[in-house]
Amino acid sequence: NAGVMQNPRHLVRRRGQEARLRCSPMKGHSHVYWYRQLPEEGLKFMVYLQKENIIDESGMPKERFSAEFPKEGPSILRIQQVVRGDSAAYFCASSPGQVGQQYFGPGTRLTVT
Amino acid sequence: KNEVEQSPQNLTAQEGEFITINCSYSVGISALHWLQQHPGGGIVSLFMLSSGKKKHGRLIATINIQEKHSSLHITASHPRDSAVYICAVTYSGAGSYQLTFGKGTKLSVIP
Repeated sequence: NAGVMQNPRHLVRRRGQEARLRCSPMKGHSHVYWYRQLPEEGLKFMVYLQKENIIDESGMPKERFSAEFPKEGPSILRIQQVVRGDSAAYFCASSPGQVGQQYFGPGTRLTVT
Repeated sequence: KNEVEQSPQNLTAQEGEFITINCSYSVGISALHWLQQHPGGGIVSLFMLSSGKKKHGRLIATINIQEKHSSLHITASHPRDSAVYICAVTYSGAGSYQLTFGKGTKLSVIP
């Protein structure tokens, strides 16, 4: 019974490139959450998705960031034209329902050079 | 609204000591979570509670809804307990799925 999977674990991008972060929720979970942890800061909510729907993206920066959770395949967090300030750890979590315990993936550490 | 305060920020303990980490929040919540983040960075969910007390092994979590306060206790601490412990809440009402996090307590247990 695999847990939440994220890949890649580490991603290095140059300024201006695109970053794609993938998250496969636990089996049976249809709710996915993305969180960002900036260096020396706490975790912050970014976006909440259910299959094919964005439920709440109030924590997402207005530009360059997008997320999706297609009917088939993993959830993807996409960052276009990355800047140094995007360097952070990005965590995905999943849950079987909207309310309840969330299970975290190992995170993707993005470094923008 | 979104205030989750933890104390202490850093904690160093000798192996075997009893440890307490505190968390307070400002408004009504639907649930409080304790998470553990190891030096490698992965996050493990330890407890989710909305009232009373929960125990798992050497870990005990308590919550006082009236005082808006929770504690995480570790009995007979061990160096492998060294990690960052994070308190998070989900608020009542709209957006009750959204976790709001404290800044974490960095625990170091010395042999």
